[in-house]
Amino acid sequence: DAGITQSPRHKVTETGTPVTLRCHQTENHRYMYWYRQDPGHGLRLIHYSYGVKDTDKGEVSDGYSVSRSKTEDFLLTLESATSSQTSVYFCAIRGEITSNYGYTFGSGTRLTVV
Amino acid sequence: DQQVKQNSPSLSVQEGRISILNCDYTNSMFDYFLWYKKYPAEGPTFLISISSIKDKNEDGRFTVFLNKSAKHLSLHIVPSQPGDSAVYFCAASAGGGTSYGKLTFGQGTILTVHP
Repeated sequence: DAGITQSPRHKVTETGTPVTLRCHQTENHRYMYWYRQDPGHGLRLIHYSYGVKDTDKGEVSDGYSVSRSKTEDFLLTLESATSSQTSVYFCAIRGEITSNYGYTFGSGTRLTVV
Repeated sequence: DQQVKQNSPSLSVQEGRISILNCDYTNSMFDYFLWYKKYPAEGPTFLISISSIKDKNEDGRFTVFLNKSAKHLSLHIVPSQPGDSAVYFCAASAGGGTSYGKLTFGQGTILTVHP
């Protein structure tokens, strides 16, 4: 599916360095989400957006920030990466709440902090 | 505090038999439930959902059952096929305009279907 793409797909970075992950959609969907997947925890919400410049925190937002200056792009930034942020990060999009509740997920970014 | 729990980390079944994946939730405000399937190195994909006003929803080989009084839902796959081998996530939404469509996911269950 070309409707949502994440970049990069893989990244290795050093502790203390800033990292930005990008999510790009071509569906013109209003809602965008960042999740992280970790063994034993499933998928946990980091931040989400309900419109351009409208964002809010999820359950595991500490150490992360986001920005959405355009409908199609949702950026996740780790200001100073730590080893606990080693994870697989998924972006998801969805249309209006009254439509299909299902998200469409990107293919993920595997981030390793060494 | 895990509001959505999948207590079985893994499940192994024989091809052609039924697979039953279980999910429990604690938040009584949840009113919509979904199942996602995930293959390695791919994002999760939507499988089936159910509203809290229903107790069953079918889509081909997949059926989801909801027991609101027990705060429990299950996914039945009949018959199971080797291609069903994946990680299955249960998810729930509290609904309403202020929820912004946020989903709370369980930990996932690894299903292995043996030929």
